[in-house]
Amino acid sequence: DAGVTQSPTHLIKTRGQHVTLRCSPISGHKSVSWYQQVLGQGPQFIFQYYEKEERGRGNFPDRFSARQFPNYSSELNVNALLLGDSALYLCASSQRGLLNYGYTFGSGTRLTVV
Amino acid sequence: AQKVTQAQTEISVVEKEDVTLDCVYETRDTTYYLFWYKQPPSGELVFLIRRNSFDEQNEISGRYSWNFQKSTSSFNFTITASQVVDSAVYFCALSEGAGGGNKLTFGTGTQLKVEL
Repeated sequence: DAGVTQSPTHLIKTRGQHVTLRCSPISGHKSVSWYQQVLGQGPQFIFQYYEKEERGRGNFPDRFSARQFPNYSSELNVNALLLGDSALYLCASSQRGLLNYGYTFGSGTRLTVV
Repeated sequence: AQKVTQAQTEISVVEKEDVTLDCVYETRDTTYYLFWYKQPPSGELVFLIRRNSFDEQNEISGRYSWNFQKSTSSFNFTITASQVVDSAVYFCALSEGAGGGNKLTFGTGTQLKVEL
């Protein structure tokens, strides 16, 4: 079975641009979460979606948005990119919305803003 | 608010040495889950263990063992007879609430380097 897949794996953008990151969960998983990991830090929670509804949001500005599609895949959008948005963006999926069911992480998208 | 502290930024050991990675957490909730993840250079977070707040039994899995002590709010991770393949960044994480909540709060990680 395929794990959590994220695309693209690497991306370079210019300040002020917009970016869309994509995530496909493990088959049968209905929840997708997004995390931002700045170099040298632990991942920070951005969003969680379960059954296509937002179930949680971290302390990130409105420039960050996401959605989940009927096939449970997800997109993370970031507008008006800043240099500080350079990070590894990790997607995680789980069968349900709660963590006692466990999380599986993808390998991430490394975003560089120049 | 929940918080996880990993005071050790980097640890270097020689292969076959035992090494313990420290994790201290803060939470006001009585129901919570603690996790350890391994992050190799490829970037993917690899799940190692999940423990709920009502289960204080220590656990051993091969060369890995975990010591959960609610009295000191610690969930330490020991690797016995370390190997070069153990070199990675290790993260401790916490989630709150019945059912585990819906978000993980991570520590800043400990970089483990195992040398020959």
